[in-house]
Amino acid sequence: DAGVIQSPRHEVTEMGQEVTLRCKPISGHNSLFWYRQTMMRGLELLIYFNNNVPIDDSGMPEDRFSAKMPNASFSTLKIQPSEPRDSAVYFCASSLARGEGNTIYFGEGSWLTVV
Amino acid sequence: GQNIDQPTEMTATEGAIVQINCTYQTSGFNGLFWYQQHAGEAPTFLSYNVLDGLEEKGRFSSFLSRSKGYSYLLLKELQMKDSASYLCALPNTGGFKTIFGAGTRLFVKA
Repeated sequence: DAGVIQSPRHEVTEMGQEVTLRCKPISGHNSLFWYRQTMMRGLELLIYFNNNVPIDDSGMPEDRFSAKMPNASFSTLKIQPSEPRDSAVYFCASSLARGEGNTIYFGEGSWLTVV
Repeated sequence: GQNIDQPTEMTATEGAIVQINCTYQTSGFNGLFWYQQHAGEAPTFLSYNVLDGLEEKGRFSSFLSRSKGYSYLLLKELQMKDSASYLCALPNTGGFKTIFGAGTRLFVKA
């Protein structure tokens, strides 16, 4: 079975540029999560979707961040404009949410560096 | 809300046993996860406890005490490849939103 697929794996961009991160969740999963990980702040939940609907975006740091899930097999996280403090690993994850503790499966991450 | 507390780092010797603790506060308990994360890689699922007691899975065991807000991960017969971060995580009441602790970095030395 294919796991969660993210692209790009690595991106280096200049401050002010738009960054788009992409994710394909595991087929059949109905919840999708975007996490950000840094040494200072650990693994932070940015936003999660259930059945393609954004449920909680309270972790999105600023209006520069936006996320969409147009269908069950695709999601994007966009940063516009990007800043050096956005440098982090961005993980997409998915699970089959059934109202109890649900195992989350992570993609390999997108390593973003903003210079 | 939810709060998770873990030690930042631990060091242990190859072949030994190590216990990694996690204490938590949550308004609605819905189980507790442990994940392993090697440097430069994604977190991967290790265990899920929803009832009190010890669950064993090979060299790894996980314990939960709901009344004490406490869990631990026990690693036996440590191997060098066990050097990684170990993350304690709590799903919220609905089970949809999982919050991770800062993780414990385990160093296994020869």
